[in-house]
Amino acid sequence: EDKVVQSPLSLVVHEGDTVTLNCSYEVTNFRSLLWYKQEKKAPTFLFMLTSSGIEKKSGRLSSILDKKELFSILNITATQTGDSAVYLCAGLYDGGATNKLIFGTGTLLAVQP
Amino acid sequence: ETGVTQSPTHLIKTRGQQVTLRCSSQSGHNTVSWYQQALGQGPQFIFQYYREEENGRGNFPPRFSGLQFPNYSSELNVNALELDDSALYLCASSLGIRAYNEQFFGPGTRLTVL
Repeated sequence: EDKVVQSPLSLVVHEGDTVTLNCSYEVTNFRSLLWYKQEKKAPTFLFMLTSSGIEKKSGRLSSILDKKELFSILNITATQTGDSAVYLCAGLYDGGATNKLIFGTGTLLAVQP
Repeated sequence: ETGVTQSPTHLIKTRGQQVTLRCSSQSGHNTVSWYQQALGQGPQFIFQYYREEENGRGNFPPRFSGLQFPNYSSELNVNALELDDSALYLCASSLGIRAYNEQFFGPGTRLTVL
């Protein structure tokens, strides 16, 4: 059965800290790994990673995919209180004509002032 | 905020009832995916609609059904509601079935089944 596992489940840090969130996956017909930030309701897209070993960056956030070891990490440097959210990763199953996202349970990040 | 809207925002139903949730896609988007997110869990894929046809389905029973209209808005219907159907229901729209890096989620409908 396809699955995506995230760790840790929750994390409390102080402003300015650096955090690393982990995501491992077992997804048949895997195509890409996606990261989302969910603050209240709607998840917002962060990164889509398709190639192994190529880091993607957006401001203080960065992410990389290892397709040999089947995992990805999301790094956040110099954390701010506005980074507090649930971070979701999802494996993209590509069945040709159909495809779907398989989500992990998320990591709840709390950044304290 | 994205251009994806959902209605209603909140809904309370009792077991056995039926419910219809609505999703209005971002302008120009022809693909809508529906997800169920139980409390403390990640979203679970229900199904996807592309140009008014169902284009893939997750592990949900037939009492979960959907429609997509010519303007690409969409409905999720759930019959014979059960307590475990209580969740946040999210829709997401995109232009094409593979444009996940440009897929936008709506704010969701919180369904409570008593």
